[in-house]
This record gives sequence, C-alpha cells and structure tokens, in this order.
Amino acid sequence: GIQVEQSPPDLILQEGANSTLRCNFSDSVNNLQWFHQNPWGQLINLFYIPSGTKQNGRLSATTVATERYSLLYISSSQTTDSGVYFCAPSPQETSGSRLTFGEGTQLTVNP
Amino acid sequence: DAEITQSPRHKITETGRQVTLACHQTWNHNNMFWYRQDLGHGLRLIHYSYGVQDTNKGEVSDGYSVSRSNTEDLPLTLESAASSQTSVYFCASNGLAGEQETQYFGPGTRLLVL
Repeated sequence: GIQVEQSPPDLILQEGANSTLRCNFSDSVNNLQWFHQNPWGQLINLFYIPSGTKQNGRLSATTVATERYSLLYISSSQTTDSGVYFCAPSPQETSGSRLTFGEGTQLTVNP
Repeated sequence: DAEITQSPRHKITETGRQVTLACHQTWNHNNMFWYRQDLGHGLRLIHYSYGVQDTNKGEVSDGYSVSRSNTEDLPLTLESAASSQTSVYFCASNGLAGEQETQYFGPGTRLLVL
C-alpha cells in the first residue's frame, strides 16, 4: 500500500513563529487531506487538497502531486495551534476515498 | 447543523465480551469509515462502507464487523473483545466526489478491554 512519511515528527515553536510541515507519499494520489487533532483528541479537517495551493486564514497548504509531496504552512502560530497534524492521501488506484494516515507531526506552541 | 456522533464516548469491557460502538451521521453521506488510533500513532482503517448494504475490510479488520442498513448509521462490532483492541475508535464520513470527499470525524470512543 501507499507509504506516508511526515516530517518533522515533533516541533516546538514560540508563539508568533512560522512553520512548514511536510508530507511525502509513495504513490500517485487522487485525494489528499490535512487534519489537526487538538489536545482533547478531536480531529478537524483543515484542507482537501489533491493538487495546487489553498489558504485558510493563517494556514495554507500546497500539494505537488507529480513530485509526491504536500506542505502545510502555519504562520504567526498561536498556542491553540498545538496538537498533532496528520496528512492523509488516497491512492489513485483505489476507488472511493479511503485515506491512509501518516504518523503525524506533534506541534507544541509555547506562549 | 450536520454532524457525526458516536456512542458511548467511553467503554470498559472484559475480554471475550461482544461490544458494539455506534456511529450516526446527519450529513447524508454515502461513505462511512471506522478507524482506530493507538497511543502516539496515526489512524488505521478498520472497515468502510460506500452505501447501504455495502461493507469492506480495511487494513486491520480482524475481530471486527460492520453492517450498513441505512445511510445514517454504521455500527462497529467487536465479536469477542481482546486486550489488543484497547484503543480510541473514530468514525468518519464523506460525500462522493471532489470537495465533497472532505472527511469529517466523530468525537471518538475510548475503549478499554480488561
């Protein structure tokens, strides 16, 4: 099956700093989503981004499907950004929208 | 507002017992999924359904079953609970194509098997 590698595994920032999270995947995809899991365990969808660039407030994401990677940018980080960020692609060969999750990046934003 | 709910939110059971976790969505989504998340790891797919009467095995389906008798519900059954099935279980759903494939998650069920 598709391999998903996220980096870095852990990241500690001071409030106000910017960061870039990376997701590499091994196969062609027709669907890729980014999620944030907050410290209470809730999973929130951030982006549906199979290709191209999207922005939502301080967050933006870019997927370069031909080179098999996606990036999540967080600008002017806030303590509420803390949690785990997951990348989840769906291989092109599969039907429907079965996602394969990476191991995540644990982000801690200190005040 | 549309939502996806899970019950119970917490469950303690004994080895060998049958357990059913409920998942209900009001998005009118065709696609529904069950995942498990173990401490410090990502989510792994257990079972999924693309519509009524359709069920499929995921990556870690042994010891689990699902049924889909209507659009809104996809209950997950642990046939004979094992300690290795102690985990947090998440249900999710999404629509059929394009942006509608954005996947939404329920709040999760914490299951402890003693």
